[in-house]
Amino acid sequence: AQSVTQPDIHITVSEGASLELRCNYSYGATPYLFWYVQSPGQGLQLLLKYFSGDTLVQGIKGFEAEFKRSQSSFNLRKPSVHWSDAAEYFCAVGGYNKLIFGAGTRLAVHP
Amino acid sequence: NAGVTQTPKFRILKIGQSMTLQCTQDMNHNYMYWYRQDPGMGLKLIYYSVGAGITDKGEVPNGYNVSRSTTEDFPLRLELAAPSQTSVYFCAASSYNSPLHFGNGTRLTVT
Repeated sequence: AQSVTQPDIHITVSEGASLELRCNYSYGATPYLFWYVQSPGQGLQLLLKYFSGDTLVQGIKGFEAEFKRSQSSFNLRKPSVHWSDAAEYFCAVGGYNKLIFGAGTRLAVHP
Repeated sequence: NAGVTQTPKFRILKIGQSMTLQCTQDMNHNYMYWYRQDPGMGLKLIYYSVGAGITDKGEVPNGYNVSRSTTEDFPLRLELAAPSQTSVYFCAASSYNSPLHFGNGTRLTVT
């Protein structure tokens, strides 16, 4: 069955600390991979995507993610978190016309 | 460009009432989607469309109907509202090799 797992429901980090949000997936073929961010009361904004090629992809707002085929993972990272990064983050996998979303990780940032 | 526009932003329905959630996009994307978002559950696909005149069920279609008479519009219909349909609904649009672009959502409460 196709699925996406984000093991961490909540994460709290201090401003300036590094961040890694985990995402594992189960999918029949090599999927397209995405990370979206949702601020309170807003829609989802695309942070970055992986279709093919270099397995380390750069996104907006200083985020990056690494696709590891052997681990079926697509973890999101940021070297230094800003208070404005507090939001909910969703990993999604699928083909180009249908996505399966994880349950999300809510990030809190301490000053 | 407005992207994906959803109306209304908020709605309260009584059990058994019906309503249509509107979604329109100005990106000329072929694919359109309706997701619902419940706390801790991520996004679940209700219905999707790969082009005008073509729709298909997603993961949670029961209680909903859709139509796609034009490329731009993809309304979602609730015929007999039930409390279980209390959720935030997101419409999205995409095209080949273009990731999903989301609207800002409609928050629906059924009491």
